Amino acid sequence: NAGVMQNPRHLVRRRGQEARLRCSPMKGHSHVYWYRQLPEEGLKFMVYLQKENIIDESGMPKERFSAEFPKEGPSILRIQQVVRGDSAAYFCASSLQEGNNQPQHFGDGTRLSIL
Amino acid sequence: AQSVTQLDSQVPVFEEAPVELRCNYSSSVSVYLFWYVQYPNQGLQLLLKYLSGSTLVESINGFEAEFNKSQTSFHLRKPSVHISDTAEYFCAVSKAGGSEKLVFGKGTKLTVNP
Repeated sequence: NAGVMQNPRHLVRRRGQEARLRCSPMKGHSHVYWYRQLPEEGLKFMVYLQKENIIDESGMPKERFSAEFPKEGPSILRIQQVVRGDSAAYFCASSLQEGNNQPQHFGDGTRLSIL
Repeated sequence: AQSVTQLDSQVPVFEEAPVELRCNYSSSVSVYLFWYVQYPNQGLQLLLKYLSGSTLVESINGFEAEFNKSQTSFHLRKPSVHISDTAEYFCAVSKAGGSEKLVFGKGTKLTVNP
C-alpha cells in the first residue's frame, strides 16, 4: 500500500524557469494539501484541493504559484519564473475525506533549489 | 487564526533520559492538536493527536502528550529516549471541525546521545 508519492525528490532550476512538482496521494484519498518548509522554519500551509476543486488557497503567493488536482493523475504545484526565495522543501499530504479526525499523510517532499 | 510556539529549537539528551518537548498554541476557537516527527530527508509522520476526550494521548513508541486547555499547551514527553528517537518534532494545530489546514510550530530538533 504505497504512501504519498512525490516527484521529483530534488529539483534544480535557474532563476526565471518553471518548476513543476507532482504529488500522487495515497490510494483512495481524494484530499490533497501542499505545504512549504523554508530552512529553519516549520511547514506553512499553501493550498488544499479536492478532485478538480481548489478548496482553500489562502497560503498561496498571489503571483507565479498555481496548483491543480485533476480528475485523473497527480496533483501539480507549478511555480513560474522561479526566484531564489522559492528554494525550499515542498511537501504534499493527503487524507481520506473531510474532517480533522482523518489524519494527513505526508510524502517525502520535493527539495527545490534555485540557482 | 491559530499559532503554535515551540519554545526549544534544539534539545540534546542522553540515551535513556526523560525528555519533554514544549508546545504552546494560541486560538480563539476550539482546536485539534498534533505532534509529527520528521526524520532526515523524509516527510512528516503523525506521532499522536488530540481531538477530544481524554487529555492524555499516547503513541505506540512510548511518547505521550497532554492537552492542557488552561495553559494552552500540548507538551510531548517520553520517560526514556532511544538513539532512534533522534529527529525533528513538529507540533501542529487545526481548527476543530473546520478548515483542514494544519498550522505548524517551527520544530524542535531532538538529539539523543549515547
